[in-house]
Amino acid sequence: DAEITQSPRHKITETGRQVTLACHQTWNHNNMFWYRQDLGHGLRLIHYSYGVQDTNKGEVSDGYSVSRSNTEDLPLTLESAASSQTSVYFCASSAGHSNQPQHFGDGTRLSIL
Amino acid sequence: SQQGEEDPQALSIQEGENATMNCSYKTSINNLQWYRQNSGRGLVHLILIRSNEREKHSGRLRVTLDTSKKSSSLLITASRAADTASYFCAPNSGYSTLTFGKGTMLLVSP
Repeated sequence: DAEITQSPRHKITETGRQVTLACHQTWNHNNMFWYRQDLGHGLRLIHYSYGVQDTNKGEVSDGYSVSRSNTEDLPLTLESAASSQTSVYFCASSAGHSNQPQHFGDGTRLSIL
Repeated sequence: SQQGEEDPQALSIQEGENATMNCSYKTSINNLQWYRQNSGRGLVHLILIRSNEREKHSGRLRVTLDTSKKSSSLLITASRAADTASYFCAPNSGYSTLTFGKGTMLLVSP
């Protein structure tokens, strides 16, 4: 069965360090998304991609970057981790049309001390 | 993309009862999607209703859409403890990105 996997599931790091969260999907979807979920804010879109070499900023992109070198992967990088970036991060993918659902991974819980 | 607002924020019912949650949005849509999130897991797509549809069913789920009132409702009939989760709506104006609200937290007690 097709799936979307995130790794690691949990990570603890220190402020100032660079952190990369992995997202891999086997749906062969063009679209991929990164969200963060915080109490009181719901899910907020960080970055998204409509295909290889395409990346776009979402609502809360400051301090984050992504790159899309193939269809399957969209890694999320925190260039210099800050305590405000402690959150649960979700990756999702969808086919190329607006009437297609998004498929989510089970998230990465990131703590920055 | 626009954000939906779910109401109520929290809902507590007994097993076997029906659960109704509502979603309001502000501008015209192409479709509206409902998702469920179990504790510690990612969101799972439940149902998509297009703007020209008024009602849609999937198992014990019934979704209605009133575009004149810019609102949708999700009804879960004969709730089970396993339905305990947060539920999110995502009104879609034709983009591939979605904006999620804070959701409705449903607790179904045995």
